[in-house]
Amino acid sequence: GIQVEQSPPDLILQEGANSTLRCNFSDSVNNLQWFHQNPWGQLINLFYIPSGTKQNGRLSATTVATERYSLLYISSSQTTDSGVYFCAVEFLESNYQLIWGAGTKLIIKP
Amino acid sequence: GAVVSQHPSWVICKSGTSVKIECRSLDFQATTMFWYRQFPKQSLMLMATSNEGSKATYEQGVEKDKFLINHASLTLSTLTVTSAHPEDSSFYICSARDQGQGDGYTFGSGTRLTVV
Repeated sequence: GIQVEQSPPDLILQEGANSTLRCNFSDSVNNLQWFHQNPWGQLINLFYIPSGTKQNGRLSATTVATERYSLLYISSSQTTDSGVYFCAVEFLESNYQLIWGAGTKLIIKP
Repeated sequence: GAVVSQHPSWVICKSGTSVKIECRSLDFQATTMFWYRQFPKQSLMLMATSNEGSKATYEQGVEKDKFLINHASLTLSTLTVTSAHPEDSSFYICSARDQGQGDGYTFGSGTRLTVV
């Protein structure tokens, strides 16, 4: 069935470190988004990236649709980067619904 | 970019009462909005798809009579939790997509409901 898997589930890093979060998906996609959920629950849309590479400051993302994965890179981590990162995918056959990964909980220590 | 406003941010209510949560698309029209529920330390669970001018489509296991959805205009959808009980306590989030922007889905800030 349709699946979205994220890894790792948890990640603890020291401030200044770099990290790579991965999202694997099981089928062809219309849409893929990366979100950051802050401690107050707000979902921040980081990237809309069904394919290709995008960069925004210290963050960048790459989706290789043919190989069914996406990567989120965080460079020079700051404590404010802490939170849960979700990958959400709209599959071709999912009728505009987003299918969510379980998330990666990132903790950046000062 | 597209903005979705959700209100209230948090609410505490007594068991047996009803609570209404509003979701507005501020700078675009949304024929479809989505309502999610999130349990602690879990991912988002889609509850229903709200369709402007017609009935909402509920996911399996979601009680239609418990969670009433109204999408009366192209910029407003409401979720009413009727006869709330403590097990309805949760974080509820709405989302919509500005089809003209091509930036994907935008989410409201969420509503934390506590039923006492």
